[in-house]
Amino acid sequence: DVKVTQSSRYLVKRTGEKVFLECVQDMDHENMFWYRQDPGLGLRLIYFSYDVKMKEKGDIPEGYSVSREKKERFSLILESASTNQTSMYLCASSLQGRDEQYFGPGTRLTVT
Amino acid sequence: AQKVTQAQTEISVVEKEDVTLDCVYETRDTTYYLFWYKQPPSGELVFLIRRNSFDEQNEISGRYSWNFQKSTSSFNFTITASQVVDSAVYFCALNTYSGYALNFGKGTSLLVTP
Repeated sequence: DVKVTQSSRYLVKRTGEKVFLECVQDMDHENMFWYRQDPGLGLRLIYFSYDVKMKEKGDIPEGYSVSREKKERFSLILESASTNQTSMYLCASSLQGRDEQYFGPGTRLTVT
Repeated sequence: AQKVTQAQTEISVVEKEDVTLDCVYETRDTTYYLFWYKQPPSGELVFLIRRNSFDEQNEISGRYSWNFQKSTSSFNFTITASQVVDSAVYFCALNTYSGYALNFGKGTSLLVTP
């Protein structure tokens, strides 16, 4: 079974803090993704990566950056957390471009 | 542009009823892929099915079945004899040949009561 793990289920941070969300997959997948999920807005893509050190902006990249130094690990970075970044963050991976994506359990981030 | 519409925001049924969740998609690509995911209260999205645009055969997996109709751009999901454990938010998603990311619908929240 594909396993995607995220570093925290719940996280509380203060405005202005730098926040790191970590995601690890164990199936040697090429692609990794970060989404945020908000009530009424559904899932929106923040960034994705199709190879080590490669990244592409999604629909809402502002205020975020990512890092993929190793194939199995994809990090989402909030350079200076703001209250409007309070959300559920979901990491996913897929073997190749149009394959099904497998999701981690999510990190519910609250910025106060 | 790609778009997925799930017009049903919430559905409530009594256990053992059949229920159909609607999904309508828009794309100009001729090659595309459709997906259904389940998100139970625990929060993790669970992959259910993937369909490509060249395969219009209906799919059945236990109590779950999917009806793909290109003529109406729909990919509907039916749960037969619903159970309480089916209570979840269900998402339909689209991926086209030109991109990597999934375009999700807003989801349909299904509540199955005993």
